[in-house]
Order: sequence, then C-alpha cells, then structure tokens
Amino acid sequence: EVQVVESGGGLVQPGRSLRLSCLVSGFTFGDYTMSWLRQAPGKGLEWIGFIRSKAYGGTTEYAASVKGRFTISRDDSKSIAYLQMNSLRTEDTAVYYCTRDLSPSYFDYWGQGTLVTVSS
Amino acid sequence: QSALTQPASVSGSPGQSITISCTGTSTDVGGYKYVSWYQQHPGKAPKLMIFDVSYRPSGVSNRFSGSKSGNTASLTISGLQAEDEADYYCSSYSSSSTWVFGGGTKLTVL
Repeated sequence: EVQVVESGGGLVQPGRSLRLSCLVSGFTFGDYTMSWLRQAPGKGLEWIGFIRSKAYGGTTEYAASVKGRFTISRDDSKSIAYLQMNSLRTEDTAVYYCTRDLSPSYFDYWGQGTLVTVSS
Repeated sequence: QSALTQPASVSGSPGQSITISCTGTSTDVGGYKYVSWYQQHPGKAPKLMIFDVSYRPSGVSNRFSGSKSGNTASLTISGLQAEDEADYYCSSYSSSSTWVFGGGTKLTVL
C-alpha cells in the first residue's frame, strides 16, 4: 500500500523559515519525480514545484510565486522529500501537499497535507 | 487568478449529466494532451479522476469522462450521484515545465 505522509507544518512568524518533510512508502521513491502543492484556506490548488529523480538529474522547477524562497530536495535513502520555505509571508498560509508526479501526465498519490500558518 | 479558467459552480440533479469546462491557452491545455482532473471532498486530499485528457485510473467510475477541444478541456459526469458532490480541479502541464491548475468548480447535487 502506498503511503505519503507530510509533516512539519505549524504556526510560524512572517519572515521566518520552516521545513516540511514528505515520507513515502509503497513504491520505489528514487524512481519518481515528487511535487509539492498547496491550498490556501478556501482557495484552489497551486503547484509549488517539483524535484526530478536522480535518473533525470535530480533537478528542480518552481512556480514563480515561490522561486528564490522555497527549495525542494530529496533523500532517496530515506524516501523523503523536503520543502524548505524561507522568508515566509502571510500569503503562504496553506495546506501543503506532497504528491508523486508522473510528469507530464498527472499526480497520483497524495498525502493528507500539513497546515502551515504564517502569522505574527 | 488561476492560470486555467473553470466555472465557480455547477449543479445537477441525481441521474443527470453535468459538464465542467477548463479553458487555458496554447501553451498549456491546447498544446498538450496532458490534462488531468481531480476531485476533492471537504477536508480531504485531491483524488485523480481523469488523466491525459480522457483516461480513467483504475477504480474510477466510468460515469466520469474527459475530452478536449482546442484550448478547452471538459469533464463530464453522467448519472450524477450524491457522492459526486465535491470540488473539481483541472490541471495541465505547461510549456515552461511547470503545472497549472484551474480555480476549481464546486459541484452541487441537488
């Protein structure tokens, strides 16, 4: 059974940093691109970025809204993807989802999400 | 403002059919056969319903179907059931190696 479990969310002040983790089981993590998406309260889904598998260079792509502030990384030995969020803003408040990304086709396995609240 | 345009809401009675549109541009929906649709119930993670415009993952009811014409993709749900009431999001791969989503459509089963 595939499991995707995000963690690390919480309340953080504007301008501070936070790192989210995404622990995966049930498939060979290192073979796949992983994406992070978010959903602000009452709003739609927004893709944040992805990290390709090592076979495709392990490179990353980001949405313009987070480029330069957020960084995605991975540890294939632990089957974990990370989302490092710096210089957080109130508008970054959202539920953050980690998904398996079958670019360019679709996202199939999703975690339950972790809530990040940016507020003073 | 979302990159892809969806109606904010649609509604239908049990047994009826509804269609949700998703309009993009030639650099996303119109340029690729990689449109997907996701269903999201309140407080839950999104669930893949359609991929590559018209393909259903295993386990998804054949009441769900997808199509595309030009820069507009569509999701059709036939034989509406109460459990179909949810938010629906379209998504497309785009020319800048990024993903774009629609703003979501709230489906109400009357």
